[in-house]
Amino acid sequence: SSGLIQPPSVSVSPGQTAKITCSGEALSKHFGYWYQQKPGQAPMVVIYKDDERPSDIPERFSGSSSGTTVTLTISGVQAEDEADYYCQSPDISGTNLWVFGGGTRLTVL
Amino acid sequence: QVQLVQSGSELKKPGASVKISCKASGYIFSNYTMNWVRQAPGQGLEWMGWISTDTGIPTYAQGFKGRFVFSLDTSVTTAYLQLDSLKVEDTAVYYCARIKVLPLHDGTYYYYMDVWGKGTTVTVSS
Repeated sequence: SSGLIQPPSVSVSPGQTAKITCSGEALSKHFGYWYQQKPGQAPMVVIYKDDERPSDIPERFSGSSSGTTVTLTISGVQAEDEADYYCQSPDISGTNLWVFGGGTRLTVL
Repeated sequence: QVQLVQSGSELKKPGASVKISCKASGYIFSNYTMNWVRQAPGQGLEWMGWISTDTGIPTYAQGFKGRFVFSLDTSVTTAYLQLDSLKVEDTAVYYCARIKVLPLHDGTYYYYMDVWGKGTTVTVSS
């Protein structure tokens, strides 16, 4: 089982703010990363190093970290943001070097 | 532009082998470690491991030791994933992804997957 725990689903209406959390002991020592995956597409990074955003990712995507939890926030959610979101971090257990969270399906109502 | 182009879908019988390719272009191949990720139908992402494109040394995740082999052909800037003794449960999409490494102020590094291939679907069925 994954060492990173995410809620299976989050639902928001367009224009609202979506928050997706990812919890795990590894996050107290390592950065968290967020990947967006739309149906039939490869994942893409939307947040790296807890709160950094690649230049091609809209400003409405932001990240934060506190203790053993990282949070992906999408402000002013748009229909195109509907996707699966995965957090990822180095694995603190030592079993693997990296680990993904189980993923969160964001539904835009 | 930077891209990773993966080989096409494969349909194999249990017990067979398959070799997937990931052709890199638009950057210096040996400067970026290559990562492999599996996604079974309707499931999440699983990190399989990576291979240093500089040394050719692979690192496998715990659940991918034995039947999975990472390799390179640097002359054609291509990474390969070979799956041996295929099982029905190996049915999945396999992604290659480049690892970007960046320095921190304390001399350590952080890294993440910044460019992904589109994925190769492997179906194992009798």
